[in-house]
Amino acid sequence: DTGVSQDPRHKITKRGQNVTFRCDPISEHNRLYWYRQTLGQGPEFLTYFQNEAQLEKSRLLSDRFSAERPKGSFSTLEIQRTEQGDSAMYLCASRSRHPAERLGPYNEQFFGPGTRLTVL
Amino acid sequence: AQSVTQLGSHVSVSEGALVLLRCNYSSSVPPYLFWYVQYPNQGLQLLLKYTSAATLVKGINGFEAEFKKSETSFHLTKPSAHMSDAAEYFCAVTQGWFGNEKLTFGTGTRLTIIP
Repeated sequence: DTGVSQDPRHKITKRGQNVTFRCDPISEHNRLYWYRQTLGQGPEFLTYFQNEAQLEKSRLLSDRFSAERPKGSFSTLEIQRTEQGDSAMYLCASRSRHPAERLGPYNEQFFGPGTRLTVL
Repeated sequence: AQSVTQLGSHVSVSEGALVLLRCNYSSSVPPYLFWYVQYPNQGLQLLLKYTSAATLVKGINGFEAEFKKSETSFHLTKPSAHMSDAAEYFCAVTQGWFGNEKLTFGTGTRLTIIP
């Protein structure tokens, strides 16, 4: 399977515990994105990497959240001291830049299956 | 700044009938627009995208969408609904080359197909 993969698919934790999710992008994609989707809502942007550099973070990404992409390949998203409000689906996406992007063509983001987090 | 509004959180159509899902956008720069579909407990799959080429865009599974700048709309249509089209549909916008790369999604439209 050459798509975006995420691990684990499901995580149940108790309030106050730390959790870490992993995302493996499509191998040739240098851009990697994290989104959060709560029930009945569309995904909301959390953060984005170009190679190993974290270029943008949403204000949704509180200081309890940290994301890394140490070698520009896989990425991890850690949530410390989880709260019930953190319960959501966490989606990872990746894309590659089209060589003619400044002229119009734009490659889309490919999404993984998501990690569903439940905080009890 | 960018945003998307999807009118109608739930749409029901009969099998074989026209599907019309509405999306209006707001963007301070020329937008790139996308429709994604999400089946239960799965990630998002791209249906189609508008990236400043042809305004009528054809996608997978018989879907198409038309970019109308004057109406700031990007509505999704399919001439004849199938049972397999039942899913959640999301419209999304990005500024791409012109600005930030994040996707901003609408709140989604749940499509139900009536046999």
